[in-house]
Amino acid sequence: GQQLNQSPQSMFIQEGEDVSMNCTSSSIFNTWLWYKQDPGEGPVLLIALYKAGELTSNGRLTAQFGITRKDSFLNISASIPSDVGIYFCAGLEVFGKGTRLHILP
Amino acid sequence: DSGVTQTPKHLITATGQRVTLRCSPRSGDLSVYWYQQSLDQGLQFLIQYYNGEERAKGNILERFSAQQFPDLHSELNLSSLELGDSALYLCASSVGVSLTHTQYFGPGTRLTVL
Repeated sequence: GQQLNQSPQSMFIQEGEDVSMNCTSSSIFNTWLWYKQDPGEGPVLLIALYKAGELTSNGRLTAQFGITRKDSFLNISASIPSDVGIYFCAGLEVFGKGTRLHILP
Repeated sequence: DSGVTQTPKHLITATGQRVTLRCSPRSGDLSVYWYQQSLDQGLQFLIQYYNGEERAKGNILERFSAQQFPDLHSELNLSSLELGDSALYLCASSVGVSLTHTQYFGPGTRLTVL
């Protein structure tokens, strides 16, 4: 079946640093979604991308839909403590395994 | 708060048992989705219901079944439970039938099978 590969699996960064994570697949997806999950909560949609090449921002978050439709990246600028959590990419109902973001004090 | 409620929050049971998980969608949402989240498999789509009817099926085992009732709440039934069924079961809802509609997730039911 379809699979999404997220990298890195986890990241340790200093507060204020920019973050970049990506998601790739061997299959074409027509929609890319980025979610964040906090401990004890369900995932929350951050950004939805519907068109190849699309670049979309939501505050400090920016995501792009790759032109091959087989990849997407998410950038977070000037990270803050509440950015800690697990970030998932998804192609509708298919989810990656997540990137766990840790912020060092 | 997404508006999606799930009960119970935690469930501990033994192998071979049967459990029922409940989900109430956001007001106005007609679609309900069930997912299983485990450390090794990640988030796996199980099944979608729209307005009482099954619309899409993912990696749902035959031991698992679901339904959506006239009031739009949904139940996920897990039977003959095995240790490997221990996971966080997430419910999501959306307004329409298409998977492109934004899904809102509940906090999940943490199932532990001993």
